[in-house]
Amino acid sequence: NAGVMQNPRHLVRRRGQEARLRCSPMKGHSHVYWYRQLPEEGLKFMVYLQKENIIDESGMPKERFSAEFPKEGPSILRIQQVVRGDSAAYFCASSRGLAGVGETQYFGPGTRLLVL
Amino acid sequence: AQSVAQPEDQVNVAEGNPLTVKCTYSVSGNPYLFWYVQYPNRGLQFLLKYITGDNLVKGSYGFEAEFNKSQTSFHLKKPSALVSDSALYFCAVILSMDSNYQLIWGAGTKLIIKP
Repeated sequence: NAGVMQNPRHLVRRRGQEARLRCSPMKGHSHVYWYRQLPEEGLKFMVYLQKENIIDESGMPKERFSAEFPKEGPSILRIQQVVRGDSAAYFCASSRGLAGVGETQYFGPGTRLLVL
Repeated sequence: AQSVAQPEDQVNVAEGNPLTVKCTYSVSGNPYLFWYVQYPNRGLQFLLKYITGDNLVKGSYGFEAEFNKSQTSFHLKKPSALVSDSALYFCAVILSMDSNYQLIWGAGTKLIIKP
């Protein structure tokens, strides 16, 4: 059973471009979480999705950021018109069922976004 | 191999009693240590971190953790537990802060606080 997969592992964008980060959950997992890690800080929660639904987006910036988890295919975190402050590692995690109710999250290796 | 261990799957504590959630690590070099909490139906939330300096770190919601280099531990503690502290707790280690850092997670500990 393959773990959580994220691609690309490294992504370089110029200011103003769009960044698309993909996350394929573990087989059988229908819950996906996105986190951002800034240098010397902990993980910051961004959004929690279940297939075709956003459960909790309280950590998502109001502008330029969006996420989806379609019925088929990976979850996508999309950042429009990237700025240098968006440079960070973005981690995806998945779980089989509802988070925090005895369900463990499994983390992907992360995508490191660098905005020039 | 680099690893983080949370030896207890579940910890049960009565409300008002002190609580400890254990974390030990096995890594090369100097680690950066973190604790996170996950409440039902929510994403992970950052609690506290140890980067350098004082071995006793204070964090959110009255939690604290002590970095013990000789025992390679970073146990999470709280003097008086609340029922609302019931959640999943994750310990994590980052090996470096450059662009290729690795994030290593413990398996998580379910904390149950009984009234």
